[in-house]
Amino acid sequence: GQQVMQIPQYQHVQEGEDFTTYCNSSTTLSNIQWYKQRPGGHPVFLIQLVKSGEVKKQKRLTFQFGEAKKNSSLHITATQTTDVGTYFCAGPENTNAGKSTFGDGTTLTVKP
Amino acid sequence: DTEVTQTPKHLVMGMTNKKSLKCEQHMGHRAMYWYKQKAKKPPELMFVYSYEKLSINESVPSRFSPECPNSSLLNLHLHALQPEDSALYLCASSQRTGGFTEAFFGQGTRLTVV
Repeated sequence: GQQVMQIPQYQHVQEGEDFTTYCNSSTTLSNIQWYKQRPGGHPVFLIQLVKSGEVKKQKRLTFQFGEAKKNSSLHITATQTTDVGTYFCAGPENTNAGKSTFGDGTTLTVKP
Repeated sequence: DTEVTQTPKHLVMGMTNKKSLKCEQHMGHRAMYWYKQKAKKPPELMFVYSYEKLSINESVPSRFSPECPNSSLLNLHLHALQPEDSALYLCASSQRTGGFTEAFFGQGTRLTVV
């Protein structure tokens, strides 16, 4: 079955430093979604990427979808304490069934 | 209204109890999902309902029984659970299962089986 791997598992940064998490799929993805889950919270949708090589920005967050549509990255510039949480990528299997596989997540802690 | 509401927020139940988790959305979404999430792990898909019909059951034990009474409601009936079933149970909805639609998650029910 499809596997979605994320690295690193944990990242500790000083406030103001940059942060990147990487997502790799064993199969080609039709699209990829990114979610953020705050400690004690629930996953919240951040963005969806569809096109090969797509780059999208949300303020300090930059999302990329690889040319082969098998990998993706999330980069945060100048982290803030509000960025703390676990970031998950999720890729649907190439069907219309609604089955998505989540990566293991990257947990970000930010030291003020 | 972009909310998915889950009740209860917390639940403690014995291994012989029967309980139900409830989920409600009023966004007109036609796909609804149950996920199970253990601490420090990603959400694991359990069930998918599409247009009120069960479309995916990820080989979930029969002690978990989903029900979709209408397009806005999703229930998860629990019976004879084991302590290892303790987890955060998340409901989610999306416009449909196919295509490129985001999933909205509820706040979850934190279940403890004693």
